[in-house]
Amino acid sequence: EDKVVQSPLSLVVHEGDTVTLNCSYEVTNFRSLLWYKQEKKAPTFLFMLTSSGIEKKSGRLSSILDKKELFSILNITATQTGDSAVYLCAVEVISTSGTYKYIFGTGTRLKVLA
Amino acid sequence: DAGVTQSPTHLIKTRGQQVTLRCSPKSGHDTVSWYQQALGQGPQFIFQYYEEEERQRGNFPDRFSGHQFPNYSSELNVNALLLGDSALYLCASSTRGLNEQYFGPGTRLTVT
Repeated sequence: EDKVVQSPLSLVVHEGDTVTLNCSYEVTNFRSLLWYKQEKKAPTFLFMLTSSGIEKKSGRLSSILDKKELFSILNITATQTGDSAVYLCAVEVISTSGTYKYIFGTGTRLKVLA
Repeated sequence: DAGVTQSPTHLIKTRGQQVTLRCSPKSGHDTVSWYQQALGQGPQFIFQYYEEEERQRGNFPDRFSGHQFPNYSSELNVNALLLGDSALYLCASSTRGLNEQYFGPGTRLTVT
């Protein structure tokens, strides 16, 4: 059965700290891995990763994928209170019929204290 | 350009009742996926619609059904509601063949 596991489940840090969030997966027919930020309701897209070893960056956030070891990390540097949210990792898998779906982890709840 | 919209925002139902949730995809998108997100959990895939047909389904009972209309909007129907159906229901739209899904704000369903 396809599985996506995120760690830690929750994390409390102070402003200015750097955090690393982990996502490991065991799926068949991997297509891509995506990171989302969920503050209240709708998850908002952060990164999509398809190739190993290529870092994606957006401001203070960065992410990288290791397809050999089947994991990804999301780094946030110089954290701010506005970074407080649940960070979701999703793996896109594709079926033999060509349809695809996302399998989500349970998320990491990050709280940044002022 | 409107993003993904969902209605209603929240609703309260009683066990045994039926509910219909609605989703309008982002402009230009033709594929709609539905997810159930229980409190403290990640979204769980329910099913996906493309060209008005259910293309893929997650591990949800037949009480969960859906429909896609010619304008690509979609409905999720849940019959014989159980307390365990209480959750945030998220709709995501995408363009077939492309990876990125855009999520709507969700419908919070409470079953009492």
